[in-house]
Amino acid sequence: AQSVTQLGSHVSVSEGALVLLRCNYSSSVPPYLFWYVQYPNQGLQLLLKYTTGATLVKGINGFEAEFKKSETSFHLTKPSAHMSDAAEYFCAVSDNQGGKLIFGQGTELSVKP
Amino acid sequence: GAVVSQHPSRVICKSGTSVKIECRSLDFQATTMFWYRQFPKQSLMLMATSNEGSKATYEQGVEKDKFLINHASLTLSTLTVTSAHPEDSSFYICSPDRAHYNEQFFGPGTRLTVL
Repeated sequence: AQSVTQLGSHVSVSEGALVLLRCNYSSSVPPYLFWYVQYPNQGLQLLLKYTTGATLVKGINGFEAEFKKSETSFHLTKPSAHMSDAAEYFCAVSDNQGGKLIFGQGTELSVKP
Repeated sequence: GAVVSQHPSRVICKSGTSVKIECRSLDFQATTMFWYRQFPKQSLMLMATSNEGSKATYEQGVEKDKFLINHASLTLSTLTVTSAHPEDSSFYICSPDRAHYNEQFFGPGTRLTVL
């Protein structure tokens, strides 16, 4: 069985500050890990994914995440927040690259001017 | 890229009526379709998985007689919410499985409000 836990349902940062959204997973098989962003009343947009290989993954809009197997974590970071980053972020896990996803609870990111 | 459409994007209906939501993969074929729903301020939860030409597999707690899924072709899947009630009000999102791609694609979602 797989599960995802996102620590913090709401994170608020100032514009230009570091963004850190936390995600921990549980999986009995090598996981495939994803971060998605959702703007109000819209579908999901893939930010980045980890499948195999390099553990530091770079995505769109300046986001990146590092897969740490020893910590079962896949935290999302961005060096400098922009107002347009305000949205809901979901971490997800799958047991293969194209199958169903198990989502975390989501983290709402607010960016203050 | 992969283009996925859902129709309607928003629907309001009276309690007891049925609502059909269409999901189309516009530039690829999908043998498998995942349907998710998202209640306000909550995460996405998988409702069911369907394969083209066969019956859908429903997740625990999802009523198969209430949420009818038809996956008659490789580019179209429909979700029908039968005898909708206010507790069915939610955001429904489809996700066609594109073979050999290492990511999942999602439709833009359908906001259902049952009065």
